[in-house]
Amino acid sequence: QSALTQPPSASGSPGQSVTISCTGTSSDVGGYNYVSWYQQHPGKAPKVLIYEVSKRPSGVPDRFSGSKSGNTASLTVSGLQAEDEADYYCSSYAGALYVFGTGTKVTVL
Amino acid sequence: QVQLQESGPGLVKPSGTLSLTCAVSGGSISSNNWWSWVRQPPGKGLEWIGEMYHSGLTKYNPSLESRVTISVDKSQNQFSLNLSSVTAADTAVYYCAATSWYRIDYWGQGTLVTVSS
Repeated sequence: QSALTQPPSASGSPGQSVTISCTGTSSDVGGYNYVSWYQQHPGKAPKVLIYEVSKRPSGVPDRFSGSKSGNTASLTVSGLQAEDEADYYCSSYAGALYVFGTGTKVTVL
Repeated sequence: QVQLQESGPGLVKPSGTLSLTCAVSGGSISSNNWWSWVRQPPGKGLEWIGEMYHSGLTKYNPSLESRVTISVDKSQNQFSLNLSSVTAADTAVYYCAATSWYRIDYWGQGTLVTVSS
């Protein structure tokens, strides 16, 4: 099972939006609505931002949103803030295992 | 609020066995969670290792399955990871985690394990 493909980097100015893609196959992203997104700051453990493609856990700002089309899922961060600068990973259930994405470093310009 | 804390040797010799334990507090190991391990080589991305339910059901990453064992100790409210025949490629920060409804809700702080002679 290969890692899901994400762009290595993305950037935007404060207040702008950035969208990160996560491309898999019909065996993972395309086959299940169990795509999650995690945010990881340097030296810290990841934190879940989105689960089941588009749901947000309590406490996660609604600036974070998720969607999916076919084998590609996306995370959009609207109204970028300085604290959004971090690494972002997607993850998908793939039938008895989970696969993570390659990770995207988001820079707030 | 579940809290997780990894413990174990920070240095393992090549061909040896990496053994880590994760103490669970703020909740029971017999709750409706899958107890998971995820690793992250320095400067690289996350890799799912596997998970176990308190009933004994396990799921492993096929790429590691021949070397991995995850176990649960209900009496100590903790779970463990054993990874055998390690090489330098197994050097990573190892996270224990709690997965429910197909998402990881809780993570340990992570522990760096270096494989070196």
